[in-house]
Amino acid sequence: EVQLVQSGAEVKKPGESLKISCKGSGYSFTSYWIGWVRQMPGKGLEWMGILYPGDSDTRYSPSFRGQVTISADKSISTAYLQWSSLKASDTAMYYCARRVVVTATAYYFDYWGQGTLVTVSS
Amino acid sequence: QSVLTQPPSASGTPGQRVTVSCSGSRSNIGSYTVNWYQQLPGTAPKLLIYSNNQRPSGVPDRFSGSKSGTSASLAISGLQSEDEADYYCAAWDDSLNGLVFGGGTKLTVL
Repeated sequence: EVQLVQSGAEVKKPGESLKISCKGSGYSFTSYWIGWVRQMPGKGLEWMGILYPGDSDTRYSPSFRGQVTISADKSISTAYLQWSSLKASDTAMYYCARRVVVTATAYYFDYWGQGTLVTVSS
Repeated sequence: QSVLTQPPSASGTPGQRVTVSCSGSRSNIGSYTVNWYQQLPGTAPKLLIYSNNQRPSGVPDRFSGSKSGTSASLAISGLQSEDEADYYCAAWDDSLNGLVFGGGTKLTVL
């Protein structure tokens, strides 16, 4: 059974660093892209970026480039999303999801993690 | 402002058919397939429709998707109370070289 299990909720202060995780199981972790999606309180879904664990190829949304770092440790089938200096506006639910590539013009996220709630408050 | 445009809300009574539209451009819906996600309150999004009109295993055939040009739509027939959720369309985008979502449509079952 394919599963993406994310790390637990975090409460941080502005300026602190944070790394949240997403562990894949039940499939070949290095064969599928993993994406990250933000959902701010009461708002919609925003794509942050995506990484291919097989070769660590990483793409970022222009809105998030330079604000976060996406990485992975394929030896433990885990992807990460990290911040070096959190802001109150980073308060949100963060989801990881596995991307399936059907053709060069057909992609979709089929399995999603349960989400990690990040709260940044002084 | 989302790249893909959806109505913020939709509603229907049990048993009715409702549709949710999603409008984009040549760089996203016009070039790539459209996917739909259902997000029940307090839960993670779930894949509902992929590749414009394909249902993953386990998704009832009451849900259907279609695409024409730079627009897509999700139809739900035989509406049920458990369909009350937020629905998001999504497609890859050439200009962004990334994924774009619609703003989401909150479906209320009256």
